[in-house]
Amino acid sequence: QTVVTQEPSFSVSPGGTVTLTCGLRSGSVSTSYHPSWYQQTPGLPPRTLVYNTNIRSSGVPDRFSGSILGNKAALTITGAQADDECDYYCALYVGSGIWVFGGGTKLTVL
Amino acid sequence: QVQLQESGPGLVKPSQTLSLTCTVSGGSINSGGYYWSWTRQHPGKGLEWIGYIYYSGTTYYNPSLKSRVTISVDTSKNQFSLKVSSVTAADTAVYYCARYVDATSTYYFDYWGQGALVTVSS
Repeated sequence: QTVVTQEPSFSVSPGGTVTLTCGLRSGSVSTSYHPSWYQQTPGLPPRTLVYNTNIRSSGVPDRFSGSILGNKAALTITGAQADDECDYYCALYVGSGIWVFGGGTKLTVL
Repeated sequence: QVQLQESGPGLVKPSQTLSLTCTVSGGSINSGGYYWSWTRQHPGKGLEWIGYIYYSGTTYYNPSLKSRVTISVDTSKNQFSLKVSSVTAADTAVYYCARYVDATSTYYFDYWGQGALVTVSS
């Protein structure tokens, strides 16, 4: 069973930069996993931020960017704002039509 | 703008079958290049992909749920549905339907429904 790992929590200062990562318990994440990132405020549905590693979804500000860093997918937020404080999930395509979400990262902006 | 809306009973008894429907508006479920998916979120927990279906009926399921899950599509109503059999309290969750893009080298979930809370309790 594929396990996708994310930092459970992260903290960033307003205006600061933070990089959240998305890895595999066994193996390395590459672009062939088509990593995507979703932002979720409690009580609301997920909002798509980034797909295919580094393509921003329509309407997403350019301070959100995706990449591969080492053996993980990464989401970098530059110039963090108060309303960036929420949960972030990555998803990886693991083959045979199957997707796996990471456990999510709770981002605090303070 | 594509919109998705989940509907169905909010309370299901243990051992029974959970049934939800997702109605798609602003786009045709027959459109090529898209699958129609279900994902759930247990209270206070992360997202769990359940599966998806193409308009032709091709399905893919999460292996951990495959034995209890059926996703079907009704193109005449522009709807797709989820059934989870033999439910327990562990199936209590918010269930989201979403559109999944499956185009040339582009794969992701783009539009999401608002979610439907289903509680399994006697």
